[in-house]
Amino acid sequence: DAGITQSPRHKVTETGTPVTLRCHQTENHRYMYWYRQDPGHGLRLIHYSYGVKDTDKGEVSDGYSVSRSKTEDFLLTLESATSSQTSVYFCAISGPPDRPLQETQYFGPGTRLLVL
Amino acid sequence: GNSVTQMEGPVTLSEEAFLTINCTYTATGYPSLFWYVQYPGEGLQLLLKATKADDKGSNKGFEATYRKETTSFHLEKGSVQVSDSAVYFCALIRIMEYGNKLVFGAGTILRVKS
Repeated sequence: DAGITQSPRHKVTETGTPVTLRCHQTENHRYMYWYRQDPGHGLRLIHYSYGVKDTDKGEVSDGYSVSRSKTEDFLLTLESATSSQTSVYFCAISGPPDRPLQETQYFGPGTRLLVL
Repeated sequence: GNSVTQMEGPVTLSEEAFLTINCTYTATGYPSLFWYVQYPGEGLQLLLKATKADDKGSNKGFEATYRKETTSFHLEKGSVQVSDSAVYFCALIRIMEYGNKLVFGAGTILRVKS
């Protein structure tokens, strides 16, 4: 299994508060991704990173920001949480050093977020 | 645009039954195709993949063949076990300017009864 951890694993928060989720990898993969999983939608890409300080938006990026200050950490911030952001959030990585163009993505265990 | 459509679930089977989960896709060109599996309370794991037309991906008794004529990538297993109960996601890869993006189907819940 790829060395990917997510924290916290569970979070309950109130509408309007900021929330930061952390993804940490020990594999030195170049690319990191944040997805959200909702019933009937599968997983949808929020933001991704293609290097330190290099990020771009996915298809459902409104209300979210990200940062990557070092290779191993990718942070997802909900600037002002809303009930529609209640979801399960997954981090993924791809692009190991010896195969930077590898297509396979490896997923973390997920963070379950409830916004009341 | 790129999209993936999976058969709706849940699919409920008895142990040792034959499994088919249908997946069709819409894409520009011939992207690599994937099946991921999610066991209860866990993240997604790669089950199998195929990178070009007529390729067959296989793993743990599961198989899927990349069919460009029918734009399909159906998942099959000859004899399911209770431990196969999970959510199965079909996905294609979309090449972006930097990195790749997985486009997922909605997922199909499989329940196997003993």
